[in-house]
Amino acid sequence: RKEVEQDPGPFNVPEGATVAFNCTYSNSASQSFFWYRQDCRKEPKLLMSVYSSGNEDGRFTAQLNRASQYISLLIRDSKLSDSATYLCAVVPDTGRRALTFGSGTRLQVQP
Amino acid sequence: EPEVTQTPSHQVTQMGQEVILRCVPISNHLYFYWYRQILGQKVEFLVSFYNNEISEKSEIFDDQFSVERPDGSNFTLKIRSTKLEDSAMYFCASRGQAFNSPLHFGNGTRLTVT
Repeated sequence: RKEVEQDPGPFNVPEGATVAFNCTYSNSASQSFFWYRQDCRKEPKLLMSVYSSGNEDGRFTAQLNRASQYISLLIRDSKLSDSATYLCAVVPDTGRRALTFGSGTRLQVQP
Repeated sequence: EPEVTQTPSHQVTQMGQEVILRCVPISNHLYFYWYRQILGQKVEFLVSFYNNEISEKSEIFDDQFSVERPDGSNFTLKIRSTKLEDSAMYFCASRGQAFNSPLHFGNGTRLTVT
């Protein structure tokens, strides 16, 4: 089983739609969780950290479900500029601190 | 906002040649990383560096790879004898000391091995 797994998509949604992505992780000892955004041939850019109680940043909401070992990202009122690949990233455990990325979920917001 | 800078943005080299990719991490960060991304594939961890030594490395980071912090600001990745399959984007990243601090990435070096 992959350490971090994401549906590759693409998710094609109209402007203004709400879209949600999930990401599952295999190691129950995983520590820290993040969502990054990556535009084509660019570097990953931090979108938001994911906290145990869930957190919101404008149109973006992230949640963590430790029991089922997944994190989610909800985007409300999608904009054309939200079109990108969304990468889930996890610190696997206390012994391995390097961030492990999922393969990403591609979002295409259409006019 | 402080950022991680990488040079060059694009490097073309012949198979068997040595390359050095350079990075300047964010100045008050203490943890440094190299990742790579082969075209169309996921971002893969190579190595992490803290307190002037490697703290963690992946299976990809074999004897052909080395890292160095030659001075107080630069962090380099050397590939001794490049192979065609080393062609990829190489991203440097750094983070602060706090337990949950996120990684901040440079804009990458595209390495093309011919």
